[in-house]
Amino acid sequence: GQQVMQIPQYQHVQEGEDFTTYCNSSTTLSNIQWYKQRPGGHPVFLIQLVKSGEVKKQKRLTFQFGEAKKNSSLHITATQTTDVGTYFCADTNAGKSTFGDGTTLTVKP
Amino acid sequence: NAGVTQTPKFRILKIGQSMTLQCTQDMNHNYMYWYRQDPGMGLKLIYYSVGAGITDKGEVPNGYNVSRSTTEDFPLRLELAAPSQTSVYFCASSHTGFEQYFGPGTRLTVT
Repeated sequence: GQQVMQIPQYQHVQEGEDFTTYCNSSTTLSNIQWYKQRPGGHPVFLIQLVKSGEVKKQKRLTFQFGEAKKNSSLHITATQTTDVGTYFCADTNAGKSTFGDGTTLTVKP
Repeated sequence: NAGVTQTPKFRILKIGQSMTLQCTQDMNHNYMYWYRQDPGMGLKLIYYSVGAGITDKGEVPNGYNVSRSTTEDFPLRLELAAPSQTSVYFCASSHTGFEQYFGPGTRLTVT
């Protein structure tokens, strides 16, 4: 797998504010997966993006894959306390995944 | 379906001891993985398998061994435990190699 860099490392927001995490690579990605890990829990698959410029939505979550397939973003609209956790992106090649270090989101009620 | 199960949940080892972390999945997935997650960090791939009888090294294989004699089981063996192996270990499986299902993890401390 290729190296994927995630920013920011931490994000603290007030409930109701928006949140965005970015996943960047110096080389072209074949695909990107996003996972969420609640505190003390295990990663849970959220979505996969494959096509250049692809946008997918899951309720308040919007996932984008860059036109050049070198970056991806996850945007949460109007955060809730249930959104807390660490969000990871991963690049998968030949069955082998490389995970970013994640963005940890905390939400103040 | 139980999904991916891991045992034990917690373990404390002394330096130099050995142990096996168990992982079983009941989804008939070909792909299985072992990751370690250090505090505040991402997941580092230790070993993976694309099917029974086949295993490959990931990013951080040193100090570990695996076997995959059946589709369901993918045990991770630690020989001569070291403090640097203190971590949370996650097993995962996948049908396609992309969407991975994770077990609840094993929290290992080596002192």
